[in-house]
Amino acid sequence: KNQVEQSPQSLIILEGKNCTLQCNYTVSPFSNLRWYKQDTGRGPVSLTIMTFSENTKSNGRYTATLDADTKQSSLHITASQLSDSASYICVVLISGGYNKLIFGAGTRLAVHP
Amino acid sequence: EPEVTQTPSHQVTQMGQEVILRCVPISNHLYFYWYRQILGQKVEFLVSFYNNEISEKSEIFDDQFSVERPDGSNFTLKIRSTKLEDSAMYFCASSEAWDSFHEQFFGPGTRLTVL
Repeated sequence: KNQVEQSPQSLIILEGKNCTLQCNYTVSPFSNLRWYKQDTGRGPVSLTIMTFSENTKSNGRYTATLDADTKQSSLHITASQLSDSASYICVVLISGGYNKLIFGAGTRLAVHP
Repeated sequence: EPEVTQTPSHQVTQMGQEVILRCVPISNHLYFYWYRQILGQKVEFLVSFYNNEISEKSEIFDDQFSVERPDGSNFTLKIRSTKLEDSAMYFCASSEAWDSFHEQFFGPGTRLTVL
């Protein structure tokens, strides 16, 4: 069964600190992995897209890693800001379909002053 | 910057009633999608649509659901006879192409509440 699991479910950090969110997936056939940010009551917004051949990709203060062998990914946020408070969702695209996305449950991040 | 828009932002309906959720995808996009997110749960794929046809649908997308592109700009999701368990956020998304490197851009969602 195609699944995307994320940890932790929720996380509280202080402003300025770094954090790392984890994602494990069992999806086949794998096409790429995406991290989305979802503010409460809003649609998901893409942060990164990574193919199986990419190990690391950065987008500003966000750095995603992918290990296609172990089927694990992480999202590292550096120097957190209050506006980083949101859910971060790991999403895997199934190859061959019309962009069928498999979503994880997300990690709810709260950044406190 | 172009964006996907959805109306209404919140819809309240009685069980058994029909609802139509509306979306305006980004203008040069050709592929359209509906997703739903029940409160506290994962986002789930419902259906994808291209060239006026359903490309793929999930097991959630049963005969109570239908999609339509009635004109050149709107993309709609109809639920014929709503059930309590249809209460969720419904997100529309669109992409320029179907290949794996094209982003899907999501709208802000419509919160559907079935009483």
